[in-house]
Order: sequence, then structure tokens, then C-alpha cells
Amino acid sequence: EAGVVQSPRYKIIEKKQPVAFWCNPISGHNTLYWYRQNLGQGPELLIRYENEEAVDDSQLPKDRFSAERLKGVDSTLKIQPAELGDSAVYLCASSRIGLGPDTQYFGPGTRLTVL
Amino acid sequence: GIQVEQSPPDLILQEGANSTLRCNFSDSVNNLQWFHQNPWGQLINLFYIPSGTKQNGRLSATTVATERYSLLYISSSQTTDSGVYFCAVDLTSGSRLTFGEGTQLTVNP
Repeated sequence: EAGVVQSPRYKIIEKKQPVAFWCNPISGHNTLYWYRQNLGQGPELLIRYENEEAVDDSQLPKDRFSAERLKGVDSTLKIQPAELGDSAVYLCASSRIGLGPDTQYFGPGTRLTVL
Repeated sequence: GIQVEQSPPDLILQEGANSTLRCNFSDSVNNLQWFHQNPWGQLINLFYIPSGTKQNGRLSATTVATERYSLLYISSSQTTDSGVYFCAVDLTSGSRLTFGEGTQLTVNP
């Protein structure tokens, strides 16, 4: 079984530029999460999807961040415009709620550097 | 929100030594997971353990939900065990995982 796939793995941009991250969850997983991990800290949730619906986006900075999960599978997270403080690792995770243990599986992450 | 505290923050071992990592949490939880974040940043699932005891090779974990703590045991440590170990919990099924600050483990040859 393939794991969670993310791209790109690394991204370097200048401040005020836009950037987008892509995630393909594990097949059959209905719930998808985007987390942000700052250096030396644990990941923090940005947004959670159940199928196509964003059910928890309370920590998403909506003035510059947006996300979508078309057809309840792949998801894209966008930042526009990026700020210096957005430098972090952006992690995507997925799980299959309601069909066994609610284990979240993480992708390799996208390391964003904003100059 | 729920608080998750991990100890110790840093741990240095010689290869072959045993260790115990602790995770305390402030509320009843639905889910508790232990992860190992390797030097490349990948978060690897170790255990899904909201209660009880599990073992997987040289690793084992115990969660005492009524006392709100979990322990991760690493026996006969190897250099490849180095990295950051995170405990993460959620309050309800499928909701956000709240992570602790992690334990940075270094195993020297």
C-alpha cells in the first residue's frame, strides 16, 4: 500500500510570492489533514477534511492561506502572499475514520523556505 | 486545549542501552500515537495506543488512560533509533492530533 504522497519536497521562494503544496492521501482514507511544523516543535493542525468538507479550519490563517480537496481525494494547500514567518515544513496526513483505529499516517512533508 | 508534556526533552545513550520516554496529557483522550521523526523529517508511526500495552520488536508502549500518561520503552538501542520521538493525542475520533514537544534521542556507537 502506497503511503501519503506530497510534492514538492522542497520549495524556496521570495516573500510575497505565491506557493502551492499538493497531497495525495492513502487510498480509501476519507480524512485528510494539513499540519505545519516549525523548527524544534511538534506539528500543528492547519485544516482537516472529511471527504470534500473542511470540518476544522480554525487554525488556518485565512487571509493568506487556502486549501481545497476536490472529489474528496487529492488536496492542495496554497499560500498567497508568502511571508518570512511561513518558513516551515508542511505535512499532510490521512486516516480512515470509522473503519478501525483512527491512526493518522503522515507524508514526507514539504520544506518551505521564504527569503 | 489539551496539554501534552514529554520528558526528557533530550536523551543521549550508548548503543545497547535501554530507555523510557514519558508522555503526560491533561485530559481524557480518544487517540494516542507515538511517532519517530527520522533525520529526514519523516514521521513514522510507532504505536496507536489509547490504552493498554503493545510491543513491536525492541519497542513497547504502555498507556494508563486513567492516570493520563503513556510510556515508550526502547530496548537495546541502535544508532538508527536516533531522532525525535513525539507523542500525540486527540480528544475525539478523527480530530486534530495535539503533539508534545518531543524527545530528541541520540544513540552513539
